[in-house]
Amino acid sequence: LAKTTQPISMDSYEGQEVNITCSHNNIATNDYITWYQQFPSQGPRFIIQGYKTKVTNEVASLFIPADRKSSTLSLPRVSLSDTAVYYCLVGVGGGGNKLTFGTGTQLKVEL
Amino acid sequence: DGGITQSPKYLFRKEGQNVTLSCEQNLNHDAMYWYRQDPGQGLRLIYYSQIVNDFQKGDIAEGYSVSREKKESFPLTVTSAQKNPTAFYLCASRARTGIHQPQHFGDGTRLSIL
Repeated sequence: LAKTTQPISMDSYEGQEVNITCSHNNIATNDYITWYQQFPSQGPRFIIQGYKTKVTNEVASLFIPADRKSSTLSLPRVSLSDTAVYYCLVGVGGGGNKLTFGTGTQLKVEL
Repeated sequence: DGGITQSPKYLFRKEGQNVTLSCEQNLNHDAMYWYRQDPGQGLRLIYYSQIVNDFQKGDIAEGYSVSREKKESFPLTVTSAQKNPTAFYLCASRARTGIHQPQHFGDGTRLSIL
């Protein structure tokens, strides 16, 4: 299973763009990269997923370089409500496969 | 609305007692998972099930047991053998077919020792 490494914490201010990078040097050919967001005392919530290049949805963008050994979650114009823990996961597509959560990145957004 | 329901939200266990945490999903997902989360830590996988009547141990299965008799239900029992059960427990489910599917999580059960 691919191991991921993320910064433990990041600080930002409202209205700024936040980029959180995840390293996954031993990612396998079939692995996808998925990001989750977790608020205190709640279950993680799916944010975005990708395999290569760039993926964008209504809340975030995911940038994946050609070698796929890292990925960057980009949150545009963050607000106080984006204060949460963000997890990067790497795993094989298809349900039932074992995924491993790392310790995540605690993002704190201030006024 | 479709989703995952965990109950109870808070649970207290006495020393030497087994307790069972409930997880029900109406998403028609084949795969289900149980995670444990300690304060300030990430999620650690306890057990997972890819299909009814089948389940596999995760990274920290000792002191826990599960069953998967129905597709929509995946209860977790925390046995007396688990010496440090105080934690936040999260259940998740995931579709097996199609392109890579993310996990959907419940809102957790917080277990404490009396």
